[in-house]
Amino acid sequence: SQQGEEDPQALSIQEGENATMNCSYKTSINNLQWYRQNSGRGLVHLILIRSNEREKHSGRLRVTLDTSKKSSSLLITASRAADTASYFCAPSGGYNKLIFGAGTRLAVHP
Amino acid sequence: DTAVSQTPKYLVTQMGNDKSIKCEQNLGHDTMYWYKQDSKKFLKIMFSYNNKELIINETVPNRFSPKSPDKAHLNLHINSLELGDSAVYFCASSPGAIDTQYFGPGTRLTVL
Repeated sequence: SQQGEEDPQALSIQEGENATMNCSYKTSINNLQWYRQNSGRGLVHLILIRSNEREKHSGRLRVTLDTSKKSSSLLITASRAADTASYFCAPSGGYNKLIFGAGTRLAVHP
Repeated sequence: DTAVSQTPKYLVTQMGNDKSIKCEQNLGHDTMYWYKQDSKKFLKIMFSYNNKELIINETVPNRFSPKSPDKAHLNLHINSLELGDSAVYFCASSPGAIDTQYFGPGTRLTVL
């Protein structure tokens, strides 16, 4: 299966600090996607990185992908209280059967 | 404008009842999905339809039956509800089969 496994399970930081979350997976992929879920809400897509890309940026977000190690990381720079949420990675291969892990719960304290 | 909408937002019902959850997307996407998120926050895919045709059907009890009247709608009907069906159900859509998915706000189902 292509389930992503996020690490750490929970992360608590102060506003202004950077947050790094890691994702590992087991099979080959077409792309890997990161999503955010605020409490009680649906998932919101953050970034899609293709298997032939190594790094991608979107605002304060930076995603890396190492297909040789089957791992990805999500870096949020200069975090804000509004970044408090759960973050999920979803490796995708073949039909878009995203299998989500348990996510990383990020808490950003003012 | 709501991209992916679900109704109802909350659903509280007795065991044994039959209920439906509706999903509509106005993004012109070809592919739609249903996910179940349990109390431990694991999000599991249940079904996927591409242009009204079923393409993913995970190991889901046959009490759950998706119906896609057109490619903008994917409804989920659940027969003989059980306590273990209590969860948040999310609908999602994507332009094609390997693209970014757009999620609805979720339907919290509570079976008493």
